[in-house]
Amino acid sequence: RKEVEQDPGPFNVPEGATVAFNCTYSNSASQSFFWYRQDCRKEPKLLMSVYSSGNEDGRFTAQLNRASQYISLLIRDSKLSDSATYLCVVNLNNDMRFGAGTRLTVKP
Amino acid sequence: EPEVTQTPSHQVTQMGQEVILRCVPISNHLYFYWYRQILGQKVEFLVSFYNNEISEKSEIFDDQFSVERPDGSNFTLKIRSTKLEDSAMYFCASSADINGLETQYFGPGTRLLVL
Repeated sequence: RKEVEQDPGPFNVPEGATVAFNCTYSNSASQSFFWYRQDCRKEPKLLMSVYSSGNEDGRFTAQLNRASQYISLLIRDSKLSDSATYLCVVNLNNDMRFGAGTRLTVKP
Repeated sequence: EPEVTQTPSHQVTQMGQEVILRCVPISNHLYFYWYRQILGQKVEFLVSFYNNEISEKSEIFDDQFSVERPDGSNFTLKIRSTKLEDSAMYFCASSADINGLETQYFGPGTRLLVL
């Protein structure tokens, strides 16, 4: 089983759509969890941390289920500028493991 | 807003040569990292560094690689005897332990091409 596994994508959605990404991780001792976005040929940028209680930042909602070792990201009212690859990242003792990413394209 | 910087942005080298990639982490951060991303593939962890020593390293980080913090601001990755398969984007990152969570900020990367 891969350490961090994401929906393969790609996701092609119209503007205004709601899109959800899923991620599972294999190491139950993992300590912290994040979603990053990466634009083509650019560095990963932190989108949001993920907490067990769930957290929201504007149009973005992240959820963590430690029992199922599952992380999700929901994007509401998607914008053209949301087009990017979304990376699920899991941290254990300063060793950050990345998923392969899910590419999102938002179309007019 | 503080940011991580990396130099050079691009590096072309001949197979077998040594390269040094440089990073300036965010000034009040305590943890430093190197990652690589081969074109079209996922970001891979190489090494983390804290208190002037390696704290974690991956299976990729073998004797060919070394890291150093030569002064109070720079953090370097040395790749000895480069191989064709070392061609990748190399990202430096830094973090401060905020409320027990590690959030890392990435530099813009150095694109290394080994010929």
